[in-house]
Amino acid sequence: NAGVMQNPRHLVRRRGQEARLRCSPMKGHSHVYWYRQLPEEGLKFMVYLQKENIIDESGMPKERFSAEFPKEGPSILRIQQVVRGDSAAYFCASSSGQSKDTEAFFGQGTRLTVV
Amino acid sequence: AQSVTQLGSHVSVSEGALVLLRCNYSSSVPPYLFWYVQYPNQGLQLLLKYTSAATLVKGINGFEAEFKKSETSFHLTKPSAHMSDAAEYFCAVSDLGRALTFGSGTRLQVQP
Repeated sequence: NAGVMQNPRHLVRRRGQEARLRCSPMKGHSHVYWYRQLPEEGLKFMVYLQKENIIDESGMPKERFSAEFPKEGPSILRIQQVVRGDSAAYFCASSSGQSKDTEAFFGQGTRLTVV
Repeated sequence: AQSVTQLGSHVSVSEGALVLLRCNYSSSVPPYLFWYVQYPNQGLQLLLKYTSAATLVKGINGFEAEFKKSETSFHLTKPSAHMSDAAEYFCAVSDLGRALTFGSGTRLQVQP
């Protein structure tokens, strides 16, 4: 059973370009979470999705960021018109349920560098 | 709102010495608490979790943590540090079954 797969592992974008980060959850998991980790900081929650639904996007910046988790295929975190401040590691986690003690499994992250 | 505070962004111990990483939480409801480890350029791996059963929780790699409600703490310990324990450690609290709220992390350095 493969773990949470994120790609690409590293992504370089010029200011103003779009970044698309992909996350395939573990088999059987229908809950996906996206987190952002700025250098020397902890992970900050961005968005929580279930299949075809955004459950909680309270951590998402109001502009330029969007996320989806379609019925088929991976979850996508999309950043439009990237700026240098978007440079960070973006982690995806998946779980099988919504209870508080359900373990979330993390991917290895996508490291976005905006030049 | 829930929050986590990790005291000490960097901790250095000698190989074989006790490891103590501090975590205090704030929660309006009984919390579920987690410790994760992150190796360089890797994702997070769950070390252990507290889910309102036993207050002393044993995890992987010889780590354990004790939930102390009176102190709102969930400190991580290991009796004897190994070189391979060098990593960043994150304490987290579960927010109503939705997302994890993380502390800012503690980087553990193990000296030979």
